[in-house]
Amino acid sequence: QQQVRQSSQSLTVWEGETAILNCSYENSAFDYFPWYQQFPGEGPALLIAIRSVSDKKEDGRFTIFFNKREKNLSLHIKDSQPGDSATYFCAAQGNNRIFFGDGTQLVVKP
Amino acid sequence: DPKIIQKPKYLVAVTGSEKILICEQYLGHNAMYWYRQSAKKPLEFMFSYSYQKLMDNQTASSRFQPQSSKKNHLDLQITALKPDDSATYFCASSQDPSQNTLYFGAGTRLSVL
Repeated sequence: QQQVRQSSQSLTVWEGETAILNCSYENSAFDYFPWYQQFPGEGPALLIAIRSVSDKKEDGRFTIFFNKREKNLSLHIKDSQPGDSATYFCAAQGNNRIFFGDGTQLVVKP
Repeated sequence: DPKIIQKPKYLVAVTGSEKILICEQYLGHNAMYWYRQSAKKPLEFMFSYSYQKLMDNQTASSRFQPQSSKKNHLDLQITALKPDDSATYFCASSQDPSQNTLYFGAGTRLSVL
């Protein structure tokens, strides 16, 4: 059973729009939820993360909204830029194990 | 300067051969990992090591053997290569297994013909 699911394999938005990437998880014991960003030819890199005690985490144009009761979260990228075009992995961690979703490939068109 | 070095960046192998993927990290971390990325499975966990000891193994095949000669090294030996092994292999590290942030290398792209 897949522990972390991302609802879209791909997403295309126009420059300046808000991109919304959705994610859900299975195990209510997960307590840390990072999002990783990956550009072609590179390894994933931590973008932003939230702990289960919070419902929102903001860092510049990137915001995570977290719903513990529904076991889902979303990454909002405000004022999307072509340079944000990348694959975004949602992850969930607990008990020293981390599970990744299958990724959402975001394309921001100028 | 890259803090996690993976060598080689690209690797072409013939079916049935054996290859070693190299990973060294210079972050002073105590936990290291291998992940595999392919079209079938975008980011698949393979192994985790902590203080040079195997912590977790999610790879079904014994053809994949991690080797840790030093605390900051975790190489991956793959024997009897198959075309299905074609993927990008990422090494990662974290301060320790309980640390939340993984740092990834740039990957080794393996093609098996």
